[in-house]
Amino acid sequence: TQLLEQSPQFLSIQEGENLTVYCNSSSVFSSLQWYRQEPGEGPVLLVTVVTGGEVKKLKRLTFQFGDARKDSSLHITAAQPGDTGLYLCAGAGSFNKFYFGSGTKLNVKP
Amino acid sequence: GAGVSQSPSNKVTEKGKDVELRCDPISGHTALYWYRQSLGQGLEFLIYFQGNSAPDKSGLPSDRFSAERTGGSVSTLTIQRTQQEDSAVYLCASAPSSLGAAGELFFGEGSRLTVL
Repeated sequence: TQLLEQSPQFLSIQEGENLTVYCNSSSVFSSLQWYRQEPGEGPVLLVTVVTGGEVKKLKRLTFQFGDARKDSSLHITAAQPGDTGLYLCAGAGSFNKFYFGSGTKLNVKP
Repeated sequence: GAGVSQSPSNKVTEKGKDVELRCDPISGHTALYWYRQSLGQGLEFLIYFQGNSAPDKSGLPSDRFSAERTGGSVSTLTIQRTQQEDSAVYLCASAPSSLGAAGELFFGEGSRLTVL
């Protein structure tokens, strides 16, 4: 069983559309991170959020940490083919042990 | 610059054989993690080393799995008597301890294990 559940598992959209990916848990985390992974490579950090209710924006990506620090969302505006990849959320538990979500595979078609 | 290095990148073995996977973390990083990833899905936590503390082995799926970290640097993940369900990509990550929960995990490219 995954400590962090992501939805949807798969998303296939056209270039220019908006999308939101959700990361949910029943556990409280001291921080929540989002990573993006491309085939044959390791995940790469996109953002870290540490405060409940925090919202961070990176260009077309908006990340939100839930007030109770149990969930998070990633919103992409005007998706581009370069956004294609596997998106993973990760929560930091006690002693900085990081638990990863089940992943969301995004395909953006030109 | 040197990132996290993993070897071998690909390993094909027969059921029942032992395998060793190696991880060379970024110099100076005190935290080292091993994860397993099946079929491009999420990452399953295996084991976590932090400095000189006893490792957190709570994610190891069976006693066929073990890992060690020598001199606070290189780590080896050993799988004994491999089974077909062990086939996966094994990812290693390291992190500096100074940033704690806000720190970034730096991943290697993984070792893809196929058990025939």
